[in-house]
Amino acid sequence: AQSVTQLGSHVSVSEGALVLLRCNYSSSVPPYLFWYVQYPNQGLQLLLKYTTGATLVKGINGFEAEFKKSETSFHLTKPSAHMSDAAEYFCAVSGGGSNYKLTFGKGTLLTVNP
Amino acid sequence: NAGVTQTPKFQVLKTGQSMTLQCAQDMNHEYMSWYRQDPGMGLRLIHYSVGAGITDQGEVPNGYNVSRSTTEDFPLRLLSAAPSQTSVYFCASTHRLAGYNEQFFGPGTRLTVL
Repeated sequence: AQSVTQLGSHVSVSEGALVLLRCNYSSSVPPYLFWYVQYPNQGLQLLLKYTTGATLVKGINGFEAEFKKSETSFHLTKPSAHMSDAAEYFCAVSGGGSNYKLTFGKGTLLTVNP
Repeated sequence: NAGVTQTPKFQVLKTGQSMTLQCAQDMNHEYMSWYRQDPGMGLRLIHYSVGAGITDQGEVPNGYNVSRSTTEDFPLRLLSAAPSQTSVYFCASTHRLAGYNEQFFGPGTRLTVL
């Protein structure tokens, strides 16, 4: 069984400030972890993923996330927020291997204030 | 490649009506799935398929049927629509040789049941 908890359904930051979106997971097997972004009225776009190897992963648009097994966390960060980052962000986990089923968190809406 | 396509983009139904949401992919992906997205609930898995002729239930399968007669197509059927099925529906696909289960999402179908 696997689950994802995203802390904070809504995060508001100022333009240029640090973005931190929190994700904790539960998985009975080594997880594959993903962050997806959804802009208004659009589908989901993959930001970044962790499978194996380096625990700090870099994605598109300047985002990165660090897999911390001891904390069962996969928080998403960006050093400096841009207005175009305003969107909803989803953390997801799968069991890896042939277990393709993705389990999503409930999402975090990021607002960027000028 | 068109990727994952979904039709229609928008649909309004009356309670009790039936309809089929279409999903197609041209990437020769074995795995396809359907999710529904509701505010504050994230994405929840409805049904999935690991290949032609093979389907299985996800987290919220009640009220939905699927079949997979070809690798390319994975339609979702609502036999008797209910207001609780008002949602945005996303289809996704992936290949077992794809990069670590990265799933590709369609643009979504916004369904309203009156």
